[in-house]
Amino acid sequence: GAVVSQHPSRVICKSGTSVKIECRSLDFQATTMFWYRQFPKQSLMLMATSNEGSKATYEQGVEKDKFLINHASLTLSTLTVTSAHPEDSSFYICSAESSGIYGANVLTFGAGSRLTVL
Amino acid sequence: QQQVKQSPQSLIVQKGGISIINCAYENTAFDYFPWYQQFPGKGPALLIAIRPDVSEKKEGRFTISFNKSAKQFSLHIMDSQPGDSATYFCAASSQGAQKLVFGQGTRLTINP
Repeated sequence: GAVVSQHPSRVICKSGTSVKIECRSLDFQATTMFWYRQFPKQSLMLMATSNEGSKATYEQGVEKDKFLINHASLTLSTLTVTSAHPEDSSFYICSAESSGIYGANVLTFGAGSRLTVL
Repeated sequence: QQQVKQSPQSLIVQKGGISIINCAYENTAFDYFPWYQQFPGKGPALLIAIRPDVSEKKEGRFTISFNKSAKQFSLHIMDSQPGDSATYFCAASSQGAQKLVFGQGTRLTINP
């Protein structure tokens, strides 16, 4: 089945630094990838839609200058948290759309990246 | 109108019992309803999904029941096992697998 790989799985950084998270579709091409944020014991909130070769589409309330998204190829999207602060600490999860077993598309998630900003 | 309301927030079931998680939605444009299973520290994994043209879908021990008129759908886990202990999320979308709106999640614990 489709596999989405995310790296790093955990990252700890100092306040004010920038952190890049990579999301790769390993065995399929993904023109569209999605970035979610999940706080402890809470649901997943869609942050942005990453489109290969064009600008990302951000959900309302998500700062595009804080969360930079680049989708440079059909298998790679990156999320950069710029000038990170403790309130940016969260679990970030990417996902990509792939063909399901019955032909309809399904959303496959990566394993997530836990960011801790000190 | 974009919300998906999920209940209960947490659920404890004895091994071998039936686990039932419910979701309700408002947006009648939603036409794709997946359930995801998430273990601690991991990303969600698709468990089963349904479209509104059927009222029930079964895959192994997992069954989705869908009530279009009531705008509700539920997940039933038969013969629940300790390995089923996880957080379950329902979701809905009007754009296929894209732009999923997730429920609040249910933390399921199966006692041995």
